[in-house]
Amino acid sequence: EVQLVESGGGLVQPGGSLRLSCAASGFTLSSYWMHWVRQAPGKGLVWVSRINHDGSTYYADSVKGRFTISRDNAKNTLYLQMSSLRAEDTAVYYCAREYYEIWEWGQGTLVTVSS
Amino acid sequence: EIVLTQSPGTLSLSPGERATLSCRASQSVSGSYLAWYQQKPGQAPRLLIYGASSRATGIPDRFSGSGSGTDFTLTISRLEPEDFAVYYCQQHGSSPPVTFGGGTKVEI
Repeated sequence: EVQLVESGGGLVQPGGSLRLSCAASGFTLSSYWMHWVRQAPGKGLVWVSRINHDGSTYYADSVKGRFTISRDNAKNTLYLQMSSLRAEDTAVYYCAREYYEIWEWGQGTLVTVSS
Repeated sequence: EIVLTQSPGTLSLSPGERATLSCRASQSVSGSYLAWYQQKPGQAPRLLIYGASSRATGIPDRFSGSGSGTDFTLTISRLEPEDFAVYYCQQHGSSPPVTFGGGTKVEI
């Protein structure tokens, strides 16, 4: 069974950093395209970043230069390193696996950027 | 970037009624990489439809998707109480970036 479990969210001050993790089980993470998607409170879904099976990475313009997506193949874990955080980065962050036309999602982790 | 516009913003219906949700794309969606999700408060999005018209595993057949190119529709044939939620369309054929519609809330 495919499972994605996010962790690492919490309260951080503006300008601070945080690293989110997404532990994968039931499949080999490095064989798939993996995404981070976020949802601000009461708002819609917004794509943040993607890492391909070949390691290529892509980012939304709003996070480019501040966020870094990566993975640890030995731990079968996806990461999102977030720096220079702003109030507008406050959201639930979901990781998701893309398998052809099908996306499978974790339950999300809440990041709150506030002083 | 492909912009997805969902309408209506809110749909007020009763159990047993038919719901028709629209998703219009600013450009043709590649290979019908168009999906529909249901989301309830405090929960992750749940995949309903992928490839514009294929039901995901475990999704009841009262949910159906149709459309191609720039116009897509999600139909719920007879609303059950558990179907009242927010629905999003998503395109991931022309990415990055992946884009989502703004959502349609189906309420009683």
